[in-house]
Amino acid sequence: AQTVTQSQPEMSVQEAETVTLSCTYDTSENNYYLFWYKQPPSRQMILVIRQEAYKQQNATENRFSVNFQKAAKSFSLKISDSQLGDTAMYFCAFVNTGTASKLTFGTGTRLQVTL
Amino acid sequence: NAGVMQNPRHLVRRRGQEARLRCSPMKGHSHVYWYRQLPEEGLKFMVYLQKENIIDESGMPKERFSAEFPKEGPSILRIQQVVRGDSAAYFCASSPQGVSGNTIYFGEGSWLTVV
Repeated sequence: AQTVTQSQPEMSVQEAETVTLSCTYDTSENNYYLFWYKQPPSRQMILVIRQEAYKQQNATENRFSVNFQKAAKSFSLKISDSQLGDTAMYFCAFVNTGTASKLTFGTGTRLQVTL
Repeated sequence: NAGVMQNPRHLVRRRGQEARLRCSPMKGHSHVYWYRQLPEEGLKFMVYLQKENIIDESGMPKERFSAEFPKEGPSILRIQQVVRGDSAAYFCASSPQGVSGNTIYFGEGSWLTVV
């Protein structure tokens, strides 16, 4: 069974600073996808970034980027120039190729951006 | 283009009653997924449906829970004889195809409170 571990229950960062959220996963599969989702106080699940395991290049979406280390099974999220609107729960998720969109989620990291 | 629509957003039921949660996928999407989020936890996969078919219900409790996605109308998640432990947020998501790695789009969730 696949597992996703987020070891930081809570993080805090000052506005305009950079923060990195960690995520590790466990799988015996070689082909899979990884995601970071954001859940703001409104509780909606918003896709932040997506990484395909067969691509070595790290995904980037504006201020959000990942550090994907396949051998170490690590998938951290870096948020640059943090903004107050980034305050949210962040969930790392994993899906095997061939299992449709049956995502496995971590327990989340609560990020607070402060002035 | 409307997103994934869930209703009701909030539902209160007494123990032993039935709860019905509805989900209309995004236009053009024929694949629907239900996830459950218990307090302070990540989302957990429950069931994956296509029109008129249950594809994967491996995350669904064996008793009291059922799901359908009829040819016409929304997908329904039905919980019979609710208990306090069913209190959670239930998220529906949809995708145009059931291909792993496809971006799936989440609704805003339905919050069930059992009193």
